[in-house]
Amino acid sequence: EAQVTQNPRYLITVTGKKLTVTCSQNMNHEYMSWYRQDPGLGLRQIYYSMNVEVTDKGDVPEGYKVSRKEKRNFPLILESPSPNQTSLYFCASSLSARGYQPQHFGDGTRLSIL
Amino acid sequence: AQTVTQSQPEMSVQEAETVTLSCTYDTSESDYYLFWYKQPPSRQMILVIRQEAYKQQNATENRFSVNFQKAAKSFSLKISDSQLGDAAMYFCAYRSAVGPFGKGTKLTVNP
Repeated sequence: EAQVTQNPRYLITVTGKKLTVTCSQNMNHEYMSWYRQDPGLGLRQIYYSMNVEVTDKGDVPEGYKVSRKEKRNFPLILESPSPNQTSLYFCASSLSARGYQPQHFGDGTRLSIL
Repeated sequence: AQTVTQSQPEMSVQEAETVTLSCTYDTSESDYYLFWYKQPPSRQMILVIRQEAYKQQNATENRFSVNFQKAAKSFSLKISDSQLGDAAMYFCAYRSAVGPFGKGTKLTVNP
């Protein structure tokens, strides 16, 4: 089954404790992206990747890191999480960055930073 | 850079009636794709409908259709015969490497 898998689905942690949200897709997609969703703000892009070893900043990259060492994986790293990073996070992938193919989304990760 | 605006934070509709959700966008490109996604309380992002800018014909998927006005840069979603299961957040999106998505419209369906 074609899917984007995020883990964990839920996480409550404390300020400053490094965490990683994993994202994996099994569709051989070149393009992957991370978004955060906050009430009233919609989905805002954090980082995206056009292909292996190619990443770029989205609208709200501060406080986040990503890597794309393999085509299927695109982890989101919070080196020193802060309460303003409490949010719902989505990973998405698509065959390419543009065109008719929509993005496939993971089920979301609810992060709470205390 | 492209922008997407959804001016209606919330909308409501009676079951079986029709509702239209608005979306406007800005771009300097001539060829592009626009999407509507649905996000029910389960949080999943579900593709509803998509439109290719170079196609003048409005896209239709069962009870969902769009009114695409390229010159006005408008891409509204019409839901006919609304059902309780249509209650969700709806996001308009411009397809490019950097998104973007609109802020969403919360649709309530009243029985």
